[in-house]
Amino acid sequence: ETGVTQTPRHLVMGMTNKKSLKCEQHLGHNAMYWYKQSAKKPLELMFVYNFKEQTENNSVPSRFSPECPNSSHLFLHLHTLQPEDSALYLCASSQALQLAEAFFGQGTRLTVV
Amino acid sequence: AQSVSQHNHHVILSEAASLELGCNYSYGGTVNLFWYVQYPGQHLQLLLKYFSGDPLVKGIKGFEAEFIKSKFSFNLRKPSVQWSDTAEYFCAANNDYKLSFGAGTTVTVRA
Repeated sequence: ETGVTQTPRHLVMGMTNKKSLKCEQHLGHNAMYWYKQSAKKPLELMFVYNFKEQTENNSVPSRFSPECPNSSHLFLHLHTLQPEDSALYLCASSQALQLAEAFFGQGTRLTVV
Repeated sequence: AQSVSQHNHHVILSEAASLELGCNYSYGGTVNLFWYVQYPGQHLQLLLKYFSGDPLVKGIKGFEAEFIKSKFSFNLRKPSVQWSDTAEYFCAANNDYKLSFGAGTTVTVRA
């Protein structure tokens, strides 16, 4: 256990569905992140939140919508996704943005059909 | 934009062999460097990190990495690998509050 928990672990959704990914950290960290991990590609940073405020949106399509209601929880709302959005979505947290040693969850394996 | 490149996509070696994985980053300013490992079915976890000071950094499980500023490199090494080192290894760099990763190197250790 890393202290970062993601649910669900696996998700299959149709292109017209709406679903949400959840991330919770029990480490008392102030920064949280969403990454996309696709096969044979570098991890792509999607969003960064610091003290619940979004500090980074790395040109992510609007069909991905993050929400950070408090420093311990992070959501990724999904709607009208495309098959190429299928990937492993990783949540991470760190004590602070600077000198960030990130702690990762186990990820949600998303398949869009 | 900062980028991190890893030279090897897949490395296969036998137990007790030495391992070296290459990593280069593109940013020229102050940067913090990391190596993460992802064992099959597990989460990404930190192997070691470099912020400042001694450029030779020692991490967990016998791994070490050397920061060479002139070469923009942060290569990972282990003198003698074990079967349990089979995993995917990611180099990462943090600058301007963004933690950027390389594409990863899959290491397969044969018994």
